[in-house]
Amino acid sequence: SSELTQDPAVSVALGQTVRITCQGDSLRSYYASWYQQKPGQAPVLVIYGKNNRPSGIPDRFSGSSSGNTASLTITGAQAEDEADYYCNSRDSSGNPSFGGGTKLTVL
Amino acid sequence: EVQLVQSGAEVKKPGESLKISCKGSGYSFTSYWIGWVRQMPGKGLEWMGIIYPGDSDTRYSPSFQGQVTISADKSISTAYLQWSSLKASDTAMYYCARGITIFGVALFDYWGQGTLVTVSS
Repeated sequence: SSELTQDPAVSVALGQTVRITCQGDSLRSYYASWYQQKPGQAPVLVIYGKNNRPSGIPDRFSGSSSGNTASLTITGAQAEDEADYYCNSRDSSGNPSFGGGTKLTVL
Repeated sequence: EVQLVQSGAEVKKPGESLKISCKGSGYSFTSYWIGWVRQMPGKGLEWMGIIYPGDSDTRYSPSFQGQVTISADKSISTAYLQWSSLKASDTAMYYCARGITIFGVALFDYWGQGTLVTVSS
């Protein structure tokens, strides 16, 4: 089982703000990165480090962290944001680790 | 433009061997890690292992140690994931991804398109 815990599913009304969370002890010391995966596609990095977006990622995506919880916030969710979202950090051995994923539905 | 191009889908029988590939371009292949990630049907992402093509330093997830072998040929900018004896439970999509370390965390900034491996008798 993953050392990073995510809610399996979250929904948001079109245009509203949604927060997707990731919990784990390693997050007290290390940042999480976040990936978006749409059906039939490879994952795409959307947030890394403290709150950095790769080129091409809309600024409605942001990241934050508090204690053992990292969050991905989508401000003004769009229909195209409907996807699975995975957090990634490191496990107790220092190896990469993924959360179980959150399925985001945009209503 | 950074690209990772993976080999095509495979259909194999249990007990057969397999080696899939991931060719990098648009960047210095020997200066970045390449990781492999498994995604079983309808499931999440699982980190399998990672290799640094510059010196072939390789690390495995405990869940995959001894089950697969990761290698790289830097002369052709290609990383590999191989099995010596496939099982039906190896049926999955396998992704390669370029790994970078930021603030002590390995993350994956570019991904291949995935290779679907189906193992069935």
